[in-house]
Amino acid sequence: SQTIHQWPATLVQPVGSPLSLECTVEGTSNPNLYWYRQAAGRGLQLLFYSVGIGQISSEVPQNLSASRPQDRQFILSSKKLLLSDSGFYLCAWAEANYGYTFGSGTRLTVV
Amino acid sequence: AQSVTQLDSQVPVFEEAPVELRCNYSSSVSVYLFWYVQYPNQGLQLLLKYLSGSTLVESINGFEAEFNKSQTSFHLRKPSVHISDTAEYFCAVSDRSSSNTGKLIFGQGTTLQVKP
Repeated sequence: SQTIHQWPATLVQPVGSPLSLECTVEGTSNPNLYWYRQAAGRGLQLLFYSVGIGQISSEVPQNLSASRPQDRQFILSSKKLLLSDSGFYLCAWAEANYGYTFGSGTRLTVV
Repeated sequence: AQSVTQLDSQVPVFEEAPVELRCNYSSSVSVYLFWYVQYPNQGLQLLLKYLSGSTLVESINGFEAEFNKSQTSFHLRKPSVHISDTAEYFCAVSDRSSSNTGKLIFGQGTTLQVKP
């Protein structure tokens, strides 16, 4: 069966520090992968998606970047965090258009 | 481009009462429709989906949703809610185009608060 792992679960980082969040998928190959951010009291905002190794599409201009170094690995990064980067970050994978499987999320607090 | 509107940000309801969470979408192409549930500090879980066929779809825990193409709606219903149904519910849409990126567009979410 397919599973998705996301870590860490929580993270407190100072403003200006770097960020690296990792997401890995098991039990499938060549998945579409996505990074979403959920700000407090708001819906989900699609940040990046990837349909293959090295292929990254950005949905909104921002302080973050994404990479896909391996087929089932998706990384969200920042060189210098801002206060506005705080939120709940969710990784997801999908087969075609049949809906997502989400990771358990990372709660990021930038202080 | 698609968009999703969830008409209620919060829905308070008493235990064992019926509930409807409303979702309307806008799209120039045919779509797939989804409902997700999120419990506190957790990721989202797929509740049910409409891909094709019968316009009424059901989940294993008693929720159902009906695709209404003419009204561009996909409302979620449950005839009798439990305390454990307290969560945030998201409606989502993706298009059926061959580009196949699988992107989902989410609504803003509806918080269902079930009271004893």
